[in-house]
Amino acid sequence: DIVLTQSPDSLAVSLGERATINCKSSQSVFYSSNNKNYLAWYQQKPGQPPKVVIYWASTREYGVPDRFSGSGSGTDFTLTISSLQAEDVAVYYCQQYYSSPQTFGQGTKVEV
Amino acid sequence: QLQLHESGPGLVKPSETLSLTCSVAGDSVSSSSYYWGWIRQSPGKGLEWIGSIHYSGSTYYNPSLKSRVTISIDTAKNQFSLRLRSVSAADTTVYYCARHYTTGGSFGGWFDPWGQGTLVTVSS
Repeated sequence: DIVLTQSPDSLAVSLGERATINCKSSQSVFYSSNNKNYLAWYQQKPGQPPKVVIYWASTREYGVPDRFSGSGSGTDFTLTISSLQAEDVAVYYCQQYYSSPQTFGQGTKVEV
Repeated sequence: QLQLHESGPGLVKPSETLSLTCSVAGDSVSSSSYYWGWIRQSPGKGLEWIGSIHYSGSTYYNPSLKSRVTISIDTAKNQFSLRLRSVSAADTTVYYCARHYTTGGSFGGWFDPWGQGTLVTVSS
């Protein structure tokens, strides 16, 4: 199985400041034939199910604010919230869909 | 707007079978574009994909659970279901259903949207 390791486990960011979450994969999730990275990011607020915010490593889901961005390739990925808002407080997970079983990172808690 | 809703017993006895149903509103489970999946979430193991099904009946499962899992689909009721056999306390957790985007070939995809989840406790 591909193991995804997120860092840090938690971080506290002031409102308006940048939040950066890392996700490292135990093997590459890049497919050269279509030049795509098979990685998604989710946001889970307390008491709610996860919601996808980024797929293909850098494509924002429809309706997701543009302060959210994804980057990286191969085994190293980053989710950046450029200017943290109060409603962004949540746990964020990465997920790979390159190989079965699809696996998730352990989560990163973002607090103010 | 697509909505999914999990239902089923919240308490299951050890060694018995956990059965959950996901009711889908706002889209058809017969859509050829998607699979429909089950994921569970526990404090200890985090998010774990259980398996997914296509309306054609094609299924694929997490190998760690494959021997105990069956996922089925009922296109007439616009539902899909999960059966997990021989449960133990380790299966006590929140179970989610979700639409599963797939990307072709042997690749998987992301899950969106998810149901609200249902807590299943395994206890005698």
